[in-house]
Amino acid sequence: DIVLTQSPGTLSLSPGERATLSCRASQSVSSNYLAWYQQKPGQAPRLLISGASSRATGIPDRFSGSGSGTDFILTISRLEPEDFAVYYCQQYGRSPPTFGQGTKLEIK
Amino acid sequence: QVQLVQSGAEVKKPGASVKVSCKASGYTLTSHGTSWVRQAPGQGLEWMGWISPYNGDTHYARDLQGRVTMTTDTSTGTAYLELRSLRSDDTAVYYCARIMQWGQEIWDYWGQGTLVTVSS
Repeated sequence: DIVLTQSPGTLSLSPGERATLSCRASQSVSSNYLAWYQQKPGQAPRLLISGASSRATGIPDRFSGSGSGTDFILTISRLEPEDFAVYYCQQYGRSPPTFGQGTKLEIK
Repeated sequence: QVQLVQSGAEVKKPGASVKVSCKASGYTLTSHGTSWVRQAPGQGLEWMGWISPYNGDTHYARDLQGRVTMTTDTSTGTAYLELRSLRSDDTAVYYCARIMQWGQEIWDYWGQGTLVTVSS
């Protein structure tokens, strides 16, 4: 199975700042089939990005994804208060689909 | 609009079975596949498997094979997850999710989650 490692585990930032979240795969993710999800406490995950860089419907353009192969990045250009949550990367290039362990984005 | 509404919380004893339902609206279960994903308390996300929209074929996570069954009732638009021989480490929130595009297992709509607690 492809193992995804996210860093950092926790990121403390202030509203208005830029957030950079990393996801590294144990082997190359075919076709850059890498997605990002946001999860808030008590809620289901929400799809943000698919195909490494395509924003899902209704996702603000302050969210962007980049990367290829084994290294992927989620960037939030200017943090809004509602962006503080846990973020997961997920690969779907090879079965079984697997998730990273998550990055918690908290208010500094 | 697309919605997935799951059944309520369950408390089960070790060795028992649980069946969770997921009613879809705004689309049909014959147009999109369904996956199940679980999340143990304070932990990350774990994929459990999928069911095809076309022929009911299923594919389960290796660690769950033999204990899990996913089905759909297309007449009512409801998907089901059954998990048998429950253990304490099956305690989790169970989510159903719509596969956005068949063949690419990413999920654009999710149910609200069902907490299953396994305790003696």
